[in-house]
Amino acid sequence: NAGVTQTPKFQVLKTGQSMTLQCAQDMNHNSMYWYRQDPGMGLRLIYYSASEGTTDKGEVPNGYNVSRLNKREFSLRLESAAPSQTSVYFCASTRGLGNQPQHFGDGTRLSIL
Amino acid sequence: QKEVEQNSGPLSVPEGAIASLNCTYSDRVSQSFFWYRQYSGKSPELIMSIYSNGDKEDGRFTAQLNKASQYVSLLIRDSQPSDSATYLCAVKVGVGFGNEKLTFGTGTRLTIIP
Repeated sequence: NAGVTQTPKFQVLKTGQSMTLQCAQDMNHNSMYWYRQDPGMGLRLIYYSASEGTTDKGEVPNGYNVSRLNKREFSLRLESAAPSQTSVYFCASTRGLGNQPQHFGDGTRLSIL
Repeated sequence: QKEVEQNSGPLSVPEGAIASLNCTYSDRVSQSFFWYRQYSGKSPELIMSIYSNGDKEDGRFTAQLNKASQYVSLLIRDSQPSDSATYLCAVKVGVGFGNEKLTFGTGTRLTIIP
C-alpha cells in the first residue's frame, strides 16, 4: 500500500537549471496538492488540482508550473531554479469534497546552489 | 492576522504529563480541522480530525473544538518520549468542489522530557 509516492527524494541543482518533481497516488483520490515547507514558515500551498484536468494556484505559485497528467499523477516543474526555491517539497492527495484529510508523500529535499 | 496561528514553542512536558497544544483560526466558516504530527525529517501524519464543537477522543489524544471562539486544541495524555515531534494544526478553508484547501499553522514543537 504505497499511498503517495514522490520522486526524487533528494536533489541538488545549480541556479538556472530546470527539473520536475514527480508525485503519484494509488488511493483513487480526486484532488492533489504541492506544498513547500521552510523553517518557521509551515506548509505553504504552491499549486493544487481539484480533479483530473484542472489546476489552480495556491499561496506561492511564482516560479513553478504543474501538470495533472492523469488521475494518479501530479508533477511540479521548476523552469529556472533559484536559491529561494531551496526547500522541502511535499505532495498530498485527498478524495475531494467533504471532511477528508490530506495524505502526504515522504517529501523531496531540494537544494539550489 | 495569519489564517491559522499556533505557538511555535518549543513546548517541554515531563513524561507522563498532559501536553496541551493550541490553535486559533480566522475563517469563521471553516468546518473541518485536523492535527498532523511531523517527526524531524519526515512527512506530516494525520493523527486527529474534528468537525463538531466539543471533544473527540482517540486513545491518548483528545481534540477540542470551539467554533464560537475559533479555537481548536490537542491534548496528549500520558505523554511519551515518542510524542516528541512538531504538531501542525490544519483548517479546511473554502467551500465547494475545487475551492477547498487546507491552511496550516507553522506548527508547535513538542519535547517530552524523560
